[in-house]
Amino acid sequence: NAGVTQTPKFQVLKTGQSMTLQCAQDMNHNSMYWYRQDPGMGLRLIYYSASEGTTDKGEVPNGYNVSRLNKREFSLRLESAAPSQTSVYFCASSLRASDEAFFGQGTRLTVV
Amino acid sequence: ELKVEQNPLFLSMQEGKNYTIYCNYSTTSDRLYWYRQDPGKSLESLFVLLSNGAVKQEGRLMASLDTKARLSTLHITAAVHDLSATYFCAVGFSGGGADGLTFGKGTHLIIQP
Repeated sequence: NAGVTQTPKFQVLKTGQSMTLQCAQDMNHNSMYWYRQDPGMGLRLIYYSASEGTTDKGEVPNGYNVSRLNKREFSLRLESAAPSQTSVYFCASSLRASDEAFFGQGTRLTVV
Repeated sequence: ELKVEQNPLFLSMQEGKNYTIYCNYSTTSDRLYWYRQDPGKSLESLFVLLSNGAVKQEGRLMASLDTKARLSTLHITAAVHDLSATYFCAVGFSGGGADGLTFGKGTHLIIQP
C-alpha cells in the first residue's frame, strides 16, 4: 500500500542551488498538493493541482514552480534555493479538491 | 480568505484527565478533518466530518462538527500517554472549490504520566 510517495526524504542545498521534489500517488486521485510545514505555522499550501493538466498557486507560491506530469505525479521545483525555504515539505492527494487528503512522508529540506 | 484557528496551541495534561481542543473557521463549510502528527512523521487522518452535527469516535477521541457555529471540537477522554502528538484540524469547501484544505496551526498535546 504505497499511497503517496515522496523523494527525497532529506536534502541539504546551498543557497542558489536548484532541486526538484518528486511526488507520486497510486490511489487514482484527481487532486494533488504541495504544503510546507514550519514550526508554529501549521501547514501552508504552496501549489495545488485540482486535476491533471491544471495547477494553481496556493498561499505561499513565491520561489517555487510545479509540474503535474500526469495523473500520478506532481513535482515541486526550487529554482534558486534560499535559506527561507528551509522547511519540511509534504505532498498530498485527494480524490477531489476539499476531500480528505492523504499525505506523503515528507521531505526535510535545509538550505545553507 | 478562509481562516482556521485552533486553541489551545499547546496543552500539557495529566493522564486520566479530559480535555477539548477547539477549531473555529471563518467561512461556511461542511467538510472538516482532524489529523494527528507524531514528531518527525507525516500526518495521519483521524476523523472526517461531512455534515452539521456529525460526531465520530475512535477510542478515547471524539470529534464533532457544528457548521452553524463554524466550530469543531476534538474531545479527549481519560487521556493516556500514547495520545501525545500534534493535532491539526483542516477545513475544505464542498462546492468543488479547488483550494484543497486549509489547516489550523495545530495543537501540541503532551500527556504526562
